[in-house]
Amino acid sequence: GESVGLHLPTLSVQEGDNSIINCAYSNSASDYFIWYKQESGKGPQFIIDIRSNMDKRQGQRVTVLLNKTVKHLSLQIAATQPGDSAVYFCAENKGSSASKIIFGSGTRLSIRP
Amino acid sequence: ETGVTQTPRHLVMGMTNKKSLKCEQHLGHNAMYWYKQSAKKPLELMFVYNFKEQTENNSVPSRFSPECPNSSHLFLHLHTLQPEDSALYLCASSQELQGADDQETQYFGPGTRLLVL
Repeated sequence: GESVGLHLPTLSVQEGDNSIINCAYSNSASDYFIWYKQESGKGPQFIIDIRSNMDKRQGQRVTVLLNKTVKHLSLQIAATQPGDSAVYFCAENKGSSASKIIFGSGTRLSIRP
Repeated sequence: ETGVTQTPRHLVMGMTNKKSLKCEQHLGHNAMYWYKQSAKKPLELMFVYNFKEQTENNSVPSRFSPECPNSSHLFLHLHTLQPEDSALYLCASSQELQGADDQETQYFGPGTRLLVL
C-alpha cells in the first residue's frame, strides 16, 4: 500500500554535528516531497521541499536528497544547534493539489550538549 | 509566526458540550484544511476547503462539522465528542493554483490542544 515512513522514531545528535533524518516512500508516482519541523507546542513549519526532477536541494543549513531509485528521502542538517530539537516530518504529494499531501509519522531529533 | 492563527489554543470539554475551533489565515490563500494530530500517529487530514467549497471529507464522524464562511476563516464545530477525539487540531492554508502543475505547500497554525473528558 501507500505509505510515507520514517526509518527511526528518535535521533540523538551531538551539538555541532550533522544530523541526517531519513524517510522512505512507497508510491513511485509521488512527485513532490516536503520536510516539516514541529517544535513543542507549535504547528508543523515548512523547512524545504524538492520536486521529483531534482536529486538534491539546499537551503540554509539544510539539504534534502531524493533517491527515486530506492524511493528514499533524507534531510541533512549541518552543525546541529539546540534550536533544531523538534519532530521532523517528511511528506509526499501525489497530485497537483496540496490536499493530496500524505505525512509520515515523524522523527524526534534531540541535541546533546 | 506563519500567518495562520488558531483559537483557542487549549480546550477542555465534556462529551455533552458543544464548542467551536476557529482558524484565520492572513496569507491571502484560497484553500484551508483541518488536520487531527494524535500521539504517535501521522497527521490525519479531516477536511479541505478550496475557494470556500468543501472538496474533501476524509470519513470524518458527523460530530465534527466544518464551516468556511470565507477564504480567510475556517471553523470546526464540535458536539458530543468522545475521549478518543482528544488530540491536537491543526489548521493549515495554501494557495492552490488552478490548472497549474506545481504543488503548493501548506502553512500551519499552532493548533488547538483538545481534551475530551
